[in-house]
Amino acid sequence: DARVTQTPRDKVTEMGQEVTMRCQPILGHNTVFWYRQTMMQGLELLAYFRNRAPLDDSGMPKDRFSAEMPDATLATLKIQPSEPRDSAVYFCASGTLLGLNTGELFFGEGSRLTVL
Amino acid sequence: DQQVKQNSPSLSVQEGRISILNCDYTNSMFDYFLWYKKYPAEGPTFLISISSIKDKNEDGRFTVFLNKSAKHLSLHIVPSQPGDSAVYFCAASAFMQGAQKLVFGQGTRLTINP
Repeated sequence: DARVTQTPRDKVTEMGQEVTMRCQPILGHNTVFWYRQTMMQGLELLAYFRNRAPLDDSGMPKDRFSAEMPDATLATLKIQPSEPRDSAVYFCASGTLLGLNTGELFFGEGSRLTVL
Repeated sequence: DQQVKQNSPSLSVQEGRISILNCDYTNSMFDYFLWYKKYPAEGPTFLISISSIKDKNEDGRFTVFLNKSAKHLSLHIVPSQPGDSAVYFCAASAFMQGAQKLVFGQGTRLTINP
C-alpha cells in the first residue's frame, strides 16, 4: 500500500525554536510538493521539487524556511526560527510527471505545527 | 493573488439530495481542473478531474462541469451520502514559471445531514 509518509504528525514548540518536518514520497515518484493549510488561504504551495532539484520555492518565506531533498526517499522542510504565525498543517505530496500533467498528487497525512 | 477561489466556506445538504460545490479561477492558462476531498486528520485525496478541452466528466455519483468562458467549475454529488461530509478543495494545474503547478482553492466544508 504505497503512501506518502510524514513525520512528525504533531509538533508543539516555542517561538524561536527550529522545526524540521520530514517526508518520504511514494517510491518511484519524482515530483514532491510542500503545501501549508491555513483557514484563510486553503492549501498554499510552499515548494516543489522534480528529480530532487528545487523548481519553485516562491511560496516560501525565504528568511526562515528552507526545503531540501537529500535523497529520493526524503524531503525536508525546516523553519528556523519558528514564529506563532507558522502554526498550520503542513502537507507533503508526491506524484509522477505523467500524473502531474493531469494534476494528480498523493498527499501525506500532514504535520500539525503549533508554535507558542 | 488567489487564482482559484471557492467562495463558499461551508455547505449543508440533506442526505439523498444533490450537493453542488463551486469554484472560480482567474488564469486562462490552467489546463486541468481537479477536486480533492479531505477528511479530518488526513491528507487530501484525489476525487475527479477534467481537462480544459472538455466541459463535463462523470464518475459514479460525482460529476464535474467546466465553463471556460465563465472560468467556473462545479462538482455535483448525487445522491449525497453521509460519508461525503468532508472538506472539498478545487485545484487547477498549469505550467507556470518553469514548472507544472497545482494551485488550490480555500476549500468548502460539506456537511450531509441525515
